[in-house]
Amino acid sequence: DAKTTQPPSMDCAEGRAANLPCNHSTISGNEYVYWYRQIHSQGPQYIIHGLKNNETNEMASLIITEDRKSSTLILPHATLRDTAVYYCIVRRSYGQNFVFGPGTRLSVLP
Amino acid sequence: EAQVTQNPRYLITVTGKKLTVTCSQNMNHEYMSWYRQDPGLGLRQIYYSMNVEVTDKGDVPEGYKVSRKEKRNFPLILESPSPNQTSLYFCASSPGWGGERFWDTQYFGPGTRLTVL
Repeated sequence: DAKTTQPPSMDCAEGRAANLPCNHSTISGNEYVYWYRQIHSQGPQYIIHGLKNNETNEMASLIITEDRKSSTLILPHATLRDTAVYYCIVRRSYGQNFVFGPGTRLSVLP
Repeated sequence: EAQVTQNPRYLITVTGKKLTVTCSQNMNHEYMSWYRQDPGLGLRQIYYSMNVEVTDKGDVPEGYKVSRKEKRNFPLILESPSPNQTSLYFCASSPGWGGERFWDTQYFGPGTRLTVL
């Protein structure tokens, strides 16, 4: 599975959009981009995933560049409850090992 | 309610005393997995199971055993716990093969905080 690079931390004002970048320059054609988040010491929570098209659900939007070498997770109106560590993971649609990197610690500020 | 449950949630034990952390899911998922999380090291996969009677090692399997005798349960066994296994443990499950693709969205349990003295 391809390696990902994320900034270690970011701040965002409450009510504003939070844009979390992820670099995955070695991604291959059959690898999906997944985003999870972990609030404090709770179990990680699935947010969204995509292959090449942009995706949106009730939690967030995922924008994947045309060359698929990077992506951005967008939380459109961040709230204090969105403060968490956000993980970007790249993996094949079928597969075995699931690798979490250090993620981005997002702090939503009042 | 669809969920992954783990028991116990908290456990303090002593070195060498065998223990089992249970994991159960009620979503008929094929894939189950165990992770440990340590400060500065993030989440690391211990073992995973693609289906009943099929298990494989993750990144940090040493000192752990698993079994998958039924689809819903995936216990984590520490035969002789040591202090370096003090950690926060998570179980997860995902649907697995459905139609032509492997559904890989993992659902995590609430975690088990283990302390080995």
